[in-house]
Amino acid sequence: SAVISQKPSRDICQRGTSLTIQCQVDSQVTMMFWYRQQPGQSLTLIATANQGSEATYESGFVIDKFPISRPNLTFSTLTVSNMSPEDSSIYLCSAGWDGGSSYNEQFFGPGTRLTVL
Amino acid sequence: TQLLEQSPQFLSIQEGENLTVYCNSSSVFSSLQWYRQEPGEGPVLLVTVVTGGEVKKLKRLTFQFGDARKDSSLHITAAQPGDTGLYLCAGAIGGGADGLTFGKGTHLIIQP
Repeated sequence: SAVISQKPSRDICQRGTSLTIQCQVDSQVTMMFWYRQQPGQSLTLIATANQGSEATYESGFVIDKFPISRPNLTFSTLTVSNMSPEDSSIYLCSAGWDGGSSYNEQFFGPGTRLTVL
Repeated sequence: TQLLEQSPQFLSIQEGENLTVYCNSSSVFSSLQWYRQEPGEGPVLLVTVVTGGEVKKLKRLTFQFGDARKDSSLHITAAQPGDTGLYLCAGAIGGGADGLTFGKGTHLIIQP
């Protein structure tokens, strides 16, 4: 398994500003992902964070709005740009290993609760 | 269209009762995971099922993967207040490089 930490744990931001969320894993992982979760709802995949190349975004999510970096095998950032109240949500980072017996198992960080005023 | 249909969405039962949560799809999954999430925390992995027909047990929790790998169930025996939480099923269609598709979740409350 992997232990994942996220910073900040929560933030309140003004519309039009940007926030960068950090995700740190305690071991080297192959895969890192970013999800969004409305309070009390399920998770929606935003993108796959690829090391050394551009992130792979899901339908409905674009790089200009959610730029992602992954400089190494243990760290990734997600930026929520030009925020509006509709971006208020919980943002979760996950990590896992590709191949072998991992079978898509992903381990999640505690999430970042974002409120946009 | 929700790829993974999870039911029920809400369930409130008395301590000691049994319950089953269902996760259904028209798609075939290479693996399916069950997670439990408590307020203010990230989802915690409970189990991964990979083989059609597979059954896994985790204390009072029994997980089953359908023969065709399109559906799964979670059965809890003699539920306890500590079982309260949001239960999420999540599936992967491809290999380990794919993100997960989540069901809408089941909010479970076990009343003492």
